[in-house]
Amino acid sequence: GQNIDQPTEMTATEGAIVQINCTYQTSGFNGLFWYQQHAGEAPTFLSYNVLDGLEEKGRFSSFLSRSKGYSYLLLKELQMKDSASYLCAVMGYNTDKLIFGTGTRLQVFP
Amino acid sequence: DTEVTQTPKHLVMGMTNKKSLKCEQHMGHRAMYWYKQKAKKPPELMFVYSYEKLSINESVPSRFSPECPNSSLLNLHLHALQPEDSALYLCASSQDLREIRTDTQYFGPGTRLTVL
Repeated sequence: GQNIDQPTEMTATEGAIVQINCTYQTSGFNGLFWYQQHAGEAPTFLSYNVLDGLEEKGRFSSFLSRSKGYSYLLLKELQMKDSASYLCAVMGYNTDKLIFGTGTRLQVFP
Repeated sequence: DTEVTQTPKHLVMGMTNKKSLKCEQHMGHRAMYWYKQKAKKPPELMFVYSYEKLSINESVPSRFSPECPNSSLLNLHLHALQPEDSALYLCASSQDLREIRTDTQYFGPGTRLTVL
């Protein structure tokens, strides 16, 4: 079966660092994506990992361990505008289908 | 440019109406997708078109009918919908790199549909 788990909600303070975890069990793996989605808006692509390790892009970094079926999204120097849902999604092997986790709602407080 | 556009932004329709949602991209992408998203839930895949051919139908009821007139356009025709079909309908596109199959999906802003 296909299963992707993320925490439902997280809170953090402006200027802090937060790590959002994602664990997955899927039939085949061909990459893991992180998307940001503000309420009522479309998901926006943040990062993509297919090999083990850390990918850094400005204030956002994403890590992948394929052997552990585990990824995290690290957000540094948090800003109020980072309050959003963060979706972890896995692409199975030889398919056009992207499987989404339930998403993590992050609330940043002043 | 990673823009996918969708019209209309909002749509209210009765259960006997026929309406269509439109999606357009000019990035040269050859895969296009329809997703349905309910509040506080992740997007659920409905249909995938690859090179203008329907490649995935996730057992969607026939009151939803997709159409891909050309590589830039994707429509979703709606007929006899139910109130539970009210949701945000998202369109996405990707390059469809068949050799690699790891291309990123870019989403449009969505159409918020309300069925009365």
